[in-house]
Amino acid sequence: GQQVQQSPASLVLQEGENAELQCNFSTSLNSMQWFYQRPGGSLVSLFYNPSGTKHSGRLTSTTVIKERRSSLHISSSQTTDSGTYLCALDPSSGSWQLIFGSGTQLTVMP
Amino acid sequence: EAAVTQSPRSKVAVTGGKVTLSCHQTNNHDYMYWYRQDTGHGLRLIHYSYVADSTEKGDIPDGYKASRPSQENFSLILELASLSQTAVYFCASSLTGGEYEQYFGPGTRLTVL
Repeated sequence: GQQVQQSPASLVLQEGENAELQCNFSTSLNSMQWFYQRPGGSLVSLFYNPSGTKHSGRLTSTTVIKERRSSLHISSSQTTDSGTYLCALDPSSGSWQLIFGSGTQLTVMP
Repeated sequence: EAAVTQSPRSKVAVTGGKVTLSCHQTNNHDYMYWYRQDTGHGLRLIHYSYVADSTEKGDIPDGYKASRPSQENFSLILELASLSQTAVYFCASSLTGGEYEQYFGPGTRLTVL
């Protein structure tokens, strides 16, 4: 079965609203990375977060290994936050690859 | 900041033709990876390498070869391009395997006609 599941698949917000994106995984992990994919396709690394909580501006990433989940919180959303958010799991199986979720398509309306 | 570049940025190829995608990193990283992304999906690993002159298969290696002639360069080769290989291809590098952040290139959009 799918090792990494992201939810929701899509999300529409009004500017200023907060967003909570979820990533659940079914395997043990070394780390979790969150990426923002621009409409043009390039990937921007947002967080490298093996465990705990990390902050960057309006973004917060929380990984709880015991519960096998990671979340990305976006506060006070802006139209420029629109795009696709991907989580990627680095499993502890020694395969040295990232296993990606299918992504959350976020649209922030003005 | 980590720097991974890819060339070409986009390419149109004919079915049955040979395609070579190139990746160059200036991070002094040992590990390099090739992923593909299909529309509306996450990325899947094709090949990776942890040392020059050696490559390893990822999850979806069929139809692809890889070449790592030096630490800085990693190529993906489609000997006989097929329609199903139309996708966006991303190269990435990391310091070592596991427990280290991967840095991605800008991607190559490949269309096979």
